[in-house]
Amino acid sequence: DIQMTQSPSSVSASVGDRVTITCRASQGISSWLAWYQQKPGKAPKLLISAASSLQSGVPSRFSGSGSGTDFTLTISSLQPEDFATYYCQQANSFPPTFGGGTKVEIK
Amino acid sequence: QIQLQQSGPGLVKPSQTLSLTCAISGDSVSSNSAAWNWIRQSPSRGLEWLGRTYQRSKWYNDYAVSVKSRITINPDTSKNQFSLQLNSVTPEDTAVYYCARGKDEYFYYWGQGTLVTVSS
Repeated sequence: DIQMTQSPSSVSASVGDRVTITCRASQGISSWLAWYQQKPGKAPKLLISAASSLQSGVPSRFSGSGSGTDFTLTISSLQPEDFATYYCQQANSFPPTFGGGTKVEIK
Repeated sequence: QIQLQQSGPGLVKPSQTLSLTCAISGDSVSSNSAAWNWIRQSPSRGLEWLGRTYQRSKWYNDYAVSVKSRITINPDTSKNQFSLQLNSVTPEDTAVYYCARGKDEYFYYWGQGTLVTVSS
């Protein structure tokens, strides 16, 4: 199975800050990568597919980049509703696998 | 608007069978472009994909190696839903279980989640 490693595991930030989360795959996955946002007690929500394709209704302050093994999720100006845990997931090889998550906390 | 509604018990005894159902609205379990998945989440294992069922020319199932000997996922076309059965559960199977609609191996829609505790 492909291992997905996220860093950092948590980040403290203030409203308005730029936040960057990194995801690394144990082998190349082209652009077959998704990002999810999860709030406490809720299911994950798909934000980005194909590494950089923003899902309908997702604010443009979210962006994704990367290909191969290294990927980035950027929140350009953190809003109160963005405090959550973010997960990456590879969709290149069976079975699909997820990263361990990055918790974005209020500073 | 696609919605997934999960149902099933939140407490299962060790060695027994965990059974959950996911009712689909706004789509069909027989869709030839979607796959119907079960995913679980626990502090120790994180998000773990368990398996899926989908129809193309016929019905297919895929399962994670970690549970392959214990899991069954079945579609129910008459009720437009699909189910998860996990046999011989242990406390390590305690988790929040989600159903999810997948396409191109991305999970676009999720059920609300069911916390299943394995305990006597």
